[in-house]
Amino acid sequence: GESVGLHLPTLSVQEGDNSIINCAYSNSASDYFIWYKQESGKGPQFIIDIRSNMDKRQGQRVTVLLNKTVKHLSLQIAATQPGDSAVYFCAENIGGSYIPTFGRGTSLIVHP
Amino acid sequence: KAGVTQTPRYLIKTRGQQVTLSCSPISGHRSVSWYQQTPGQGLQFLFEYFSETQRNKGNFPGRFSGRQFSNSRSEMNVSTLELGDSALYLCASSSAVSGVNTGELFFGEGSRLTVL
Repeated sequence: GESVGLHLPTLSVQEGDNSIINCAYSNSASDYFIWYKQESGKGPQFIIDIRSNMDKRQGQRVTVLLNKTVKHLSLQIAATQPGDSAVYFCAENIGGSYIPTFGRGTSLIVHP
Repeated sequence: KAGVTQTPRYLIKTRGQQVTLSCSPISGHRSVSWYQQTPGQGLQFLFEYFSETQRNKGNFPGRFSGRQFSNSRSEMNVSTLELGDSALYLCASSSAVSGVNTGELFFGEGSRLTVL
């Protein structure tokens, strides 16, 4: 498949471990955040979102944490599987415009 | 429900040529956005269309243009291609309530443009 990024931070984990992917966002006025997953050769796919009035949201095997004080977002993946290998992007939205600004992405590599 | 469809998937052009890319959104989605993805710059927003009108525009030169048709299908055009235009061009659609997007973007698989 195609590589989506040659200069990305990379996180390597073993299958079954928990993964934590971090993101620093830029605008203190951002009020809606989304994590996307992009597998090789595909477009980004929605994973989970969170609004600024929350500091934690859980999905299936994923948890997003938001720290507005330091403008930090994290994605936690429990019991990481080889199928989780992908590039993960955080995206921030300001004031209901829903035109997200994407971060640079983190490449997650899961070793069986 | 069919996903977002982009055509062509791959294309090769030479400098100075122009290119048109097509995007069919998910049925019922009226908002279509275009992004350029490169290894160096990541995902950069080009423009967003809603009901045939450009609502938002990113910071790209006028060589990049787009349009949306009454059936919500969208096209983007790049004229006078440069080597730096080589990228993956992604289209995303979104549902909207009262004209406001609901947040989640549904992406197509992209059109990979190579400029020689």
